[in-house]
Amino acid sequence: DAGVIQSPRHEVTEMGQEVTLRCKPISGHNSLFWYRQTMMRGLELLIYFNNNVPIDDSGMPEDRFSAKMPNASFSTLKIQPSEPRDSAVYFCASSGLAGAGTDTQYFGPGTRLTVL
Amino acid sequence: QKEVEQDPGPLSVPEGAIVSLNCTYSNSAFQYFMWYRQYSRKGPELLMYTYSSGNKEDGRFTAQVDKSSKYISLFIRDSQPSDSATYLCAMFKAAGNKLTFGGGTRVLVKP
Repeated sequence: DAGVIQSPRHEVTEMGQEVTLRCKPISGHNSLFWYRQTMMRGLELLIYFNNNVPIDDSGMPEDRFSAKMPNASFSTLKIQPSEPRDSAVYFCASSGLAGAGTDTQYFGPGTRLTVL
Repeated sequence: QKEVEQDPGPLSVPEGAIVSLNCTYSNSAFQYFMWYRQYSRKGPELLMYTYSSGNKEDGRFTAQVDKSSKYISLFIRDSQPSDSATYLCAMFKAAGNKLTFGGGTRVLVKP
């Protein structure tokens, strides 16, 4: 199993540019999560999907952030326009049981975003 | 105040020592408790999962939960340099599957 796949692994962009992060969950998993990790705030849940439907986006910081999951094998997180304070590592995770509080989340390797 | 508090460390120990990590939480609705390990520039990976108060052992790792004190611990026996990582506690409430993470404790095991 390839695990959760994220691309790109590193992204450097200038303030004001659009950034798109991509995630392929583990095949057969039907819950997908986007997290952001910074030194100051730790690991924060941004949004999660069950069966491709957004369930909770209360962690999305503002309207500049949007996420989609057009099918069970692909999700994107978009930032437009990007700002320096968006610099962080963004993780995607997937799990196999929708709504199950005890299911293991498997994390991807992360995308390290730097906004200049 | 954060819902889950964790000392950021770093915690430096000699090889072979016992590593003791802990988290406190404020919301009694948390029912499921997990410990994740995160190596540098990698994603977190699940180490231990517990539900009830008490101890759970898995090899060199022991997780403890004390719901009455809202306190959880992770112990690593016979620590190895390969245990050097950041350890994050995480917890679920009974319904739904949103994980709330602690800030993580960085552990360094010196040969």
